[in-house]
Amino acid sequence: RKEVEQDPGPFNVPEGATVAFNCTYSNSASQSFFWYRQDCRKEPKLLMSVYSSGNEDGRFTAQLNRASQYISLLIRDSKLSDSATYLCALPKGGATNKLIFGTGTLLAVQP
Amino acid sequence: EAGVVQSPRYKIIEKKQPVAFWCNPISGHNTLYWYLQNLGQGPELLIRYENEEAVDDSQLPKDRFSAERLKGVDSTLKIQPAELGDSAVYLCASSLGVFDTQYFGPGTRLTVL
Repeated sequence: RKEVEQDPGPFNVPEGATVAFNCTYSNSASQSFFWYRQDCRKEPKLLMSVYSSGNEDGRFTAQLNRASQYISLLIRDSKLSDSATYLCALPKGGATNKLIFGTGTLLAVQP
Repeated sequence: EAGVVQSPRYKIIEKKQPVAFWCNPISGHNTLYWYLQNLGQGPELLIRYENEEAVDDSQLPKDRFSAERLKGVDSTLKIQPAELGDSAVYLCASSLGVFDTQYFGPGTRLTVL
């Protein structure tokens, strides 16, 4: 099993839809998780950090399922501007400064 | 506040040529990272600096890659000689400390012909 796995997509959704992506991880001892957003030909930018069961920021909700070892990112009321690649990352071996990234999930919000 | 600055943004070279990338981290950030990102993949850490010290370079191919951060601020990453497989985006990131959020620069897109 890879350390971090994501469905590469693309996820094509209409504006206003709710969409969710999952990210599975292999290290059951992982304590912190991160979602980054990366626009085409741009750098990754931190979207949300998850240290316990979950986190919410406006239309974005991240949830952690420790039993099944995955984190999810839920986007409500999708906007055209949400179109991007969403990267999941977590520390390798408990070292917060060494992040292991997934391949990313591409989201395309259609008008 | 200025973000992480990288140059050049794009570089095209022929194989076997040397190439260097430069990174200026956010002011006051002690930790600096170099990542490699291939198309359709997430970033992969090459090397991490704490001030001037390279504290994790286990993923750096040392036969052709080298990096330095002489005064604990700017950093350069060098490839000599470049190979076709080195074509990728090289991202620099910085953080205030080891457990703080990493902020990425815009990257250098390298094409090796």
